[in-house]
Amino acid sequence: QQQVKQSPQSLIVQKGGIPIINCAYENTAFDYFPWYQQFPGKGPALLIAIRPDVSEKKEGRFTISFNKSAKQFSLHIMDSQPGDSATYFCAARVSTGTASKLTFGTGTRLQVTL
Amino acid sequence: AAGVIQSPRHLIKEKRETATLKCYPIPRHDTVYWYQQGPGQDPQFLISFYEKMQSDKGSIPDRFSAQQFSDYHSELNMSSLELGDSALYFCASSLNVLGSTEAFFGQGTRLTVV
Repeated sequence: QQQVKQSPQSLIVQKGGIPIINCAYENTAFDYFPWYQQFPGKGPALLIAIRPDVSEKKEGRFTISFNKSAKQFSLHIMDSQPGDSATYFCAARVSTGTASKLTFGTGTRLQVTL
Repeated sequence: AAGVIQSPRHLIKEKRETATLKCYPIPRHDTVYWYQQGPGQDPQFLISFYEKMQSDKGSIPDRFSAQQFSDYHSELNMSSLELGDSALYFCASSLNVLGSTEAFFGQGTRLTVV
């Protein structure tokens, strides 16, 4: 059972467009929600992250919107560029004392065309 | 800045052989995580260590074992390899102190079992 549900599976936008990737979760124990960007053959790279007590966070062209009551969060990429073409994973973390574990969504393959 | 270093980057093994993957966390990071990512899949959590003790366990087969050493590097030992073990194996590290939340991933080890 996928604890973090991510959609869409793939997304194609034109340069300058604003792709939106959505994630939903059930476990209210999650306390940290990062987004990772992964290029083929590379490790996931932390892009931006948010805590559940914040409704929005913006870093450069990337914005996370967080809806705690709906248990949903989304990534918006402003003025998308071909170099943004990658797979994006949302994730959620549970921390219990010294243990913490990231659970990933299934990923969204983004293609930004010219 | 120093990143998470994994070795080897690529590994080819035959069925029923044994493989050892190594991970060197970012200096002063005390927590190491191992993830397995199959082709087109999201990373699946295997196991984590905090201060050389196992802190959490995910979907790690009994054929696999791992440990974290006194210098904080970690090794993932995989025995009786199966074709289905072919995947990218990522190690991530973080510093487990209040307010510190980011996990940084290495470039991964691509294991191919033939």
